[in-house]
Amino acid sequence: QKEVEQDPGPLSVPEGAIVSLNCTYSNSAFQYFMWYRQYSRKGPELLMYTYSSGNKEDGRFTAQVDKSSKYISLFIRDSQPSDSATYLCAMSSGGYQKVTFGTGTKLQVIP
Amino acid sequence: GAVVSQHPSRVICKSGTSVKIECRSLDFQATTMFWYRQFPKQSLMLMATSNEGSKATYEQGVEKDKFLINHASLTLSTLTVTSAHPEDSSFYICSARGAGDPSPLHFGNGTRLTVT
Repeated sequence: QKEVEQDPGPLSVPEGAIVSLNCTYSNSAFQYFMWYRQYSRKGPELLMYTYSSGNKEDGRFTAQVDKSSKYISLFIRDSQPSDSATYLCAMSSGGYQKVTFGTGTKLQVIP
Repeated sequence: GAVVSQHPSRVICKSGTSVKIECRSLDFQATTMFWYRQFPKQSLMLMATSNEGSKATYEQGVEKDKFLINHASLTLSTLTVTSAHPEDSSFYICSARGAGDPSPLHFGNGTRLTVT
């Protein structure tokens, strides 16, 4: 079993839809959770960075962490074609510890 | 803030030659830099961790004599692929972590290496 599981998609949604992206993990020591967006042939771009459980909102993006279920989510409201990319979840047990990545979910927002 | 610059973005080289990839943190000091390799439709694979002024720590299965890493300053790390072979063709991405806890990873834009 992989430490971090992420559905690779692809996920296709119409413009304006709410997108829900998810990851599950098995390592209960993970405390720091990140979401990255990666466009084709580019490096990952940090979207959200959260610590422990709870919600964090930044513009159209909301990150949720449920440590009891070992489940994290990223919600994108009012999705735009420019949101079409691969979204990677990532997590670590400490600020200086190794970061473990999911395989990424490919999202396509259709105009 | 937190910009990581990686060069070149694309390189084609002949089998048997060496290629150097640079990773720079432009607006922060990176105490730690990481080098990843990414295959199509796969996750980022950590190759090695480099700390300024010390030897890099390589992940299991990564040949340290083939993938030479130097982290000479707080803003620059280099990855040299020595005696490249076609199977080394891949997308290489560096990331940097600044000081302070917590500090997330910031990534460069990657280097597409093609060995012919």
